Amino acid sequence: AQSVAQPEDQVNVAEGNPLTVKCTYSVSGNPYLFWYVQYPNRGLQFLLKYITGDNLVKGSYGFEAEFNKSQTSFHLKKPSALVSDSALYFCAVRDTGNTPLVFGKGTRLSVIA
Amino acid sequence: DAGITQSPRHKVTETGTPVTLRCHQTENHRYMYWYRQDPGHGLRLIHYSYGVKDTDKGEVSDGYSVSRSKTEDFLLTLESATSSQTSVYFCAISHPQGPGYTFGSGTRLTVV
Repeated sequence: AQSVAQPEDQVNVAEGNPLTVKCTYSVSGNPYLFWYVQYPNRGLQFLLKYITGDNLVKGSYGFEAEFNKSQTSFHLKKPSALVSDSALYFCAVRDTGNTPLVFGKGTRLSVIA
Repeated sequence: DAGITQSPRHKVTETGTPVTLRCHQTENHRYMYWYRQDPGHGLRLIHYSYGVKDTDKGEVSDGYSVSRSKTEDFLLTLESATSSQTSVYFCAISHPQGPGYTFGSGTRLTVV
């Protein structure tokens, strides 16, 4: 069975500083990894995904994530945080093309001006 | 998202009453999912469908049933609502390529 851990409930960062939101996963086969963002009273929006290929994945709004197979991690990063990045971030994984996604519990990012 | 809509957006219901939530897609995708979102739990899968009349249980399926009689509609029914089913419910459709899932805007259900 697959699982996802987001070890931090809350991440606080000053505007302009780099940010990292952590995610580790467990799957039996090759992982398909995703990051989604949720703004208040909205549904989840896709940020980026890793299926295969380059370990560094670039996504929407300047976000990127690095797939590390040996550490089973897929941390979300951004070089310079914006106040508008403040939101709830979810990491998700599945092990084949059509099994349901398993989500982490979410990390609330707060960017302070 | 324009390709997937959920109704109603908000509902308050009494304990013991049946409730049906609707998810409608215009994308003609085969796979559809129902998740619930609760603080401290993230999103948890309730049921999913891999085609018309083909459904399967998820992690938290007790107290819920689903039906998919047409490709475009996936219904979630709470047979007898309980306060523990107070939650935000999200429907999603799966893209074979692209963003994994596209989510609806959610239904906020309160059981009093």
